[in-house]
Amino acid sequence: GQQVMQIPQYQHVQEGEDFTTYCNSSTTLSNIQWYKQRPGGHPVFLIQLVKSGEVKKQKRLTFQFGEAKKNSSLHITATQTTDVGTYFCAGRSQFYFGTGTSLTVIP
Amino acid sequence: DAGVTQSPTHLIKTRGQHVTLRCSPISGHKSVSWYQQVLGQGPQFIFQYYEKEERGRGNFPDRFSARQFPNYSSELNVNALLLGDSALYLCASSLQGMNTEAFFGQGTRLTVV
Repeated sequence: GQQVMQIPQYQHVQEGEDFTTYCNSSTTLSNIQWYKQRPGGHPVFLIQLVKSGEVKKQKRLTFQFGEAKKNSSLHITATQTTDVGTYFCAGRSQFYFGTGTSLTVIP
Repeated sequence: DAGVTQSPTHLIKTRGQHVTLRCSPISGHKSVSWYQQVLGQGPQFIFQYYEKEERGRGNFPDRFSARQFPNYSSELNVNALLLGDSALYLCASSLQGMNTEAFFGQGTRLTVV
């Protein structure tokens, strides 16, 4: 079956540093979604990418969909303590969630 | 506006028992999906229902079943509980189907002892 892997699994950054998580699929994706889950919370939708090579920005967050539609990335510029949580990509709409990247921001 | 509501929030069951989890989607949303999330892992897709019909099923045993009612609320049933069924069960609703934004409920924490 399809697998969606994310790296790194964990990331600790100093507040103000940048952060990037990468999502890789074993098969081509029709679209990819990104979610954020705070500790003890539930996943919250961030964005959906559909087109090959698509780049979308939300304030300090930049999302990218690979040209081959098999990978994606989320980049956060100048992290803040409010960015703490686990970031998941989800392929084939919400059928396949990635393994997640847990972000810790050190004040 | 009410978000996705799930009940109960916490549940403790004994091995071999049966459990029913409930989900009420956001008003106007016709699609409900169920996920199992084990601590430290991503949500694993169990079922998707749209307009009261099953539209997708993940790799879970037949002990897991679900249904969607005319008011679009949904139930997830798990029979013959195993210790490994202990997890957070999440329900998500979306306006149409899996290609639209999913709104998750707070989940039901199931512990099987």
